[in-house]
Amino acid sequence: GNSVTQMEGPVTLSEEAFLTINCTYTATGYPSLFWYVQYPGEGLQLLLKATKADDKGSNKGFEATYRKETTSFHLEKGSVQVSDSAVYFCALIQGAQKLVFGQGTRLTINP
Amino acid sequence: GAGVSQSPSNKVTEKGKDVELRCDPISGHTALYWYRQRLGQGLEFLIYFQGNSAPDKSGLPSDRFSAERTGESVSTLTIQRTQQEDSAVYLCASSLDFVGATGEKLFFGSGTQLSVL
Repeated sequence: GNSVTQMEGPVTLSEEAFLTINCTYTATGYPSLFWYVQYPGEGLQLLLKATKADDKGSNKGFEATYRKETTSFHLEKGSVQVSDSAVYFCALIQGAQKLVFGQGTRLTINP
Repeated sequence: GAGVSQSPSNKVTEKGKDVELRCDPISGHTALYWYRQRLGQGLEFLIYFQGNSAPDKSGLPSDRFSAERTGESVSTLTIQRTQQEDSAVYLCASSLDFVGATGEKLFFGSGTQLSVL
């Protein structure tokens, strides 16, 4: 079945550091890919998405490119801020199936 | 309301008791999902509703778990004879249409933290 594997956390960085959170997926065909974020005390919310190969999703300085050749959707940000501290979930959906999430990566940014 | 509302926000119960968790989706959203998030683990799919029907119940862990949805609105997740391993955050999400059809995003509630003693 479909699955998502995320980089294990927790990840701790200093402010203004470069961030990469790896995400790879297993699926037949062409799933849509998502990154969701859960800020402390809040519900999950969509951060960005890409629905076809080579698409780049972007939001709030974060980017992720749908790479079919490597079945990856890595999340990147050039300069992180303390306010980016949260748990990040990679997810996919394909056709008439449920949204499948990775295990989540906790990110802490120190000032 | 403006967002997905879940109640209660916290529930502490004794092993063996039944619990009901409620989800009020965003008005007009036809798709509704229940997920479970155990401490330190990822989101585990439980069940999905399209309207009032549940095409996918594959994630329900056992026959102690059931869910219903009425009026294409409120959904209730019921756990009978709770066990300690049921302790988790139960998340509800809704979307305007089925996520897979359009890539439409999910809107999540803040969850119900269930603790079974």
